[in-house]
Amino acid sequence: GNSVTQMEGPVTLSEEAFLTINCTYTATGYPSLFWYVQYPGEGLQLLLKATKADDKGSNKGFEATYRKETTSFHLEKGSVQVSDSAVYFCALSDGATNKLIFGTGTLLAVQP
Amino acid sequence: DAGVIQSPRHEVTEMGQEVTLRCKPISGHDYLFWYRQTMMRGLELLIYFNNNVPIDDSGMPEDRFSAKMPNASFSTLKIQPSEPRDSAVYFCASRATRTSYEQYFGPGTRLTVT
Repeated sequence: GNSVTQMEGPVTLSEEAFLTINCTYTATGYPSLFWYVQYPGEGLQLLLKATKADDKGSNKGFEATYRKETTSFHLEKGSVQVSDSAVYFCALSDGATNKLIFGTGTLLAVQP
Repeated sequence: DAGVIQSPRHEVTEMGQEVTLRCKPISGHDYLFWYRQTMMRGLELLIYFNNNVPIDDSGMPEDRFSAKMPNASFSTLKIQPSEPRDSAVYFCASRATRTSYEQYFGPGTRLTVT
């Protein structure tokens, strides 16, 4: 079945450091891919998405490219801020069931 | 445009009591999803509806849990009787068919059963 694997957290960085959170997936067909962010005490918010191979999703300085050859959708940001501290979830669409399949989440902690 | 609305935001109840969580999806969205989030089990899909009809309830943990969607703008998740292990944050999310599957989440209801 379809699945998403994220790197284990927590990821601890200093402000202005470069961020990469790895995400790989297993899927049949051509899923859409997503990154969601969850700030403390809040619901999940859609951060960015990509709907086909080689698409790049971007938002708020974050980027991720849909790589079909490596089945990956890694999240990157060039310079993180303390306000980016949150849990990040990678997800893919399951067209057969209309569900989103989520990874386990990666906690990012950015220190001043 | 208003997002997904959930109420209450916090609920504290005693074991054995009935709990009802409420959700108003984004207007025009025809899918509604109920999730539960805990530290131990992460994010779990409980049930989802399409056009007010339950499609998949395989994630509902036991018969104590039930969900309804009487119309396009309202859904409830009920736990009767509640138990301490039901303590979690419950999220509602909605989605429109015309989109590429992205779901929009509400702020959640934090349930504590003592």
